[in-house]
Amino acid sequence: ETGVTQSPTHLIKTRGQQVTLRCSSQSGHNTVSWYQQALGQGPQFIFQYYREEENGRGNFPPRFSGLQFPNYSSELNVNALELDDSALYLCASSSADGTDTQYFGPGTRLTVL
Amino acid sequence: RKEVEQDPGPFNVPEGATVAFNCTYSNSASQSFFWYRQDCRKEPKLLMSVYSSGNEDGRFTAQLNRASQYISLLIRDSKLSDSATYLCVVNPGSARQLTFGSGTQLTVLP
Repeated sequence: ETGVTQSPTHLIKTRGQQVTLRCSSQSGHNTVSWYQQALGQGPQFIFQYYREEENGRGNFPPRFSGLQFPNYSSELNVNALELDDSALYLCASSSADGTDTQYFGPGTRLTVL
Repeated sequence: RKEVEQDPGPFNVPEGATVAFNCTYSNSASQSFFWYRQDCRKEPKLLMSVYSSGNEDGRFTAQLNRASQYISLLIRDSKLSDSATYLCVVNPGSARQLTFGSGTQLTVLP
């Protein structure tokens, strides 16, 4: 396996609530990227963190925010949940070795009711 | 126009068949290219990187045509275990942010 872990595995929330998803990157990797995958679609890039700083952001509103910690683990926070936020949230870690290969965690499946 | 477009699928093929997937990308400045495989309700897993010279890994062959902005994946001698969704993935060049196609579903039939 990739060594990337995510928690929780599944989560059910209601509209308007807030959620925090967590990711531990593979050992030696200092970059974490977050993706949202709706049913039947490919993953969509949310943002990326490199050495605790946001290093690029996709087309997601500000209510999607994140953090990266000194040990390179990361959190994705979503405020004011909407029904359309229901998706598989994937994190991927990569190293600064010049390659682009990203290794994905198993994902968190979020359902918003 | 989507940044990465793939064959819509689904592809249903018999065991032993050869199947080819195609993908086009819109950003001519794209730096790197991949095929990922995703099993149902699982995370994407890297199948192979794609290089301009073409590359092969066992039964899998990937090709890149930068002039046409076209990527392909060929699977020979299909196995039941090849059944999955295949995602064409492009790094448009900024900070290793991957752009995914919608995926092509492959089912290999006994």
